[in-house]
Amino acid sequence: SQTIHQWPATLVQPVGSPLSLECTVEGTSNPNLYWYRQAAGRGLQLLFYSVGIGQISSEVPQNLSASRPQDRQFILSSKKLLLSDSGFYLCAWSMGINTEAFFGQGTRLTVV
Amino acid sequence: ELKVEQNPLFLSMQEGKNYTIYCNYSTTSDRLYWYRQDPGKSLESLFVLLSNGAVKQEGRLMASLDTKARLSTLHITAAVHDLSATYFCAVTGANNLFFGTGTRLTVIP
Repeated sequence: SQTIHQWPATLVQPVGSPLSLECTVEGTSNPNLYWYRQAAGRGLQLLFYSVGIGQISSEVPQNLSASRPQDRQFILSSKKLLLSDSGFYLCAWSMGINTEAFFGQGTRLTVV
Repeated sequence: ELKVEQNPLFLSMQEGKNYTIYCNYSTTSDRLYWYRQDPGKSLESLFVLLSNGAVKQEGRLMASLDTKARLSTLHITAAVHDLSATYFCAVTGANNLFFGTGTRLTVIP
């Protein structure tokens, strides 16, 4: 069966520090991968999605970036965090375009 | 851009009561999903609705899809406290899912 791992679960970082969140999927090949952000008490905002290695599409301009160095690995990064980057970050995968998405456990990021 | 609206945003209901959450979306889509999110947790898939008229039921929850009206409903029957959570609908668009704003459900004993 397929599983998705996301870490760390919780992170507190100072403003201006770098960020790296990692997500890996097991049990499937060539998944679509997604990064979402959820502000406190709000809905989900799609940040990036990827349909293959090295293929990244950005939905929202910001100081975040994403990379997919391997088929089942998706990384969310920032060179310098802002206070507004605080939130709950969720990685997700699906088997294709317009199919059901399955979510990782999430990373709660607090920028102080 | 595809827009997905849910209502109500907040719902407080007593145990044993019935209620319906609505999900409207702005453009044609033939797939709709319902997710549940407990506080501080990730999203759990509840239902996948793949065609007009689709109805799925699991326990006290029943979801339906009307693609002509661009409407999905999530009906809660005889609510219990364990159903307290935030419920999201999501609609497929170009290369991703568009999520509704969520409905925060609180079931009061």
